[in-house]
Amino acid sequence: LAKTTQPISMDSYEGQEVNITCSHNNIATNDYITWYQQFPSQGPRFIIQGYKTKVTNEVASLFIPADRKSSTLSLPRVSLSDTAVYYCLGASGTYKYIFGTGTRLKVLA
Amino acid sequence: DGGITQSPKYLFRKEGQNVTLSCEQNLNHDAMYWYRQDPGQGLRLIYYSQIVNDFQKGDIAEGYSVSREKKESFPLTVTSAQKNPTAFYLCASSQRESNTEAFFGQGTRLTVV
Repeated sequence: LAKTTQPISMDSYEGQEVNITCSHNNIATNDYITWYQQFPSQGPRFIIQGYKTKVTNEVASLFIPADRKSSTLSLPRVSLSDTAVYYCLGASGTYKYIFGTGTRLKVLA
Repeated sequence: DGGITQSPKYLFRKEGQNVTLSCEQNLNHDAMYWYRQDPGQGLRLIYYSQIVNDFQKGDIAEGYSVSREKKESFPLTVTSAQKNPTAFYLCASSQRESNTEAFFGQGTRLTVV
């Protein structure tokens, strides 16, 4: 499983685009990159997953460069309700979802 | 509604007592997981099960036990051997195929009094 490194915390203002980068230098060929969001006292929720290049859904975009040693979660025009912890996971076919400490995003008014 | 249900939401235990946390899913998922989360920390894997009647230790299995007698259920017992059981416990389930989304319950907050 890929070991991931993320910034511990970030602050942003409402309406701004937020980019959270995750480093995964030892990612394996079969590993996908997945991001989860967690609000206080709740279970994490899946946001987006990708293997390479760019993936976009209704919530976020995920950018993965050609070498796949990092990835960037992009949240467009954040609101106060996006204040949460964001986890980057690298996983392949082992059924084990390994969470690091995540990035604590605080959106300010 | 399909989903994963944990109960109870809050649980208090006296020191030296065993306590069992419930986790039920109706998503027809083969794989289920238990995590522990301490304040300000990430999730740590306690046990996981890929199929009925089979389970594997995660990173912090000491002081915990599980069973998987039914596909829908994966109860976690916090035994008296667990020295610091006060934490937020999360259960999850997923398909067995790789790179699939994990679905989490709302968690059980266990406090030792």
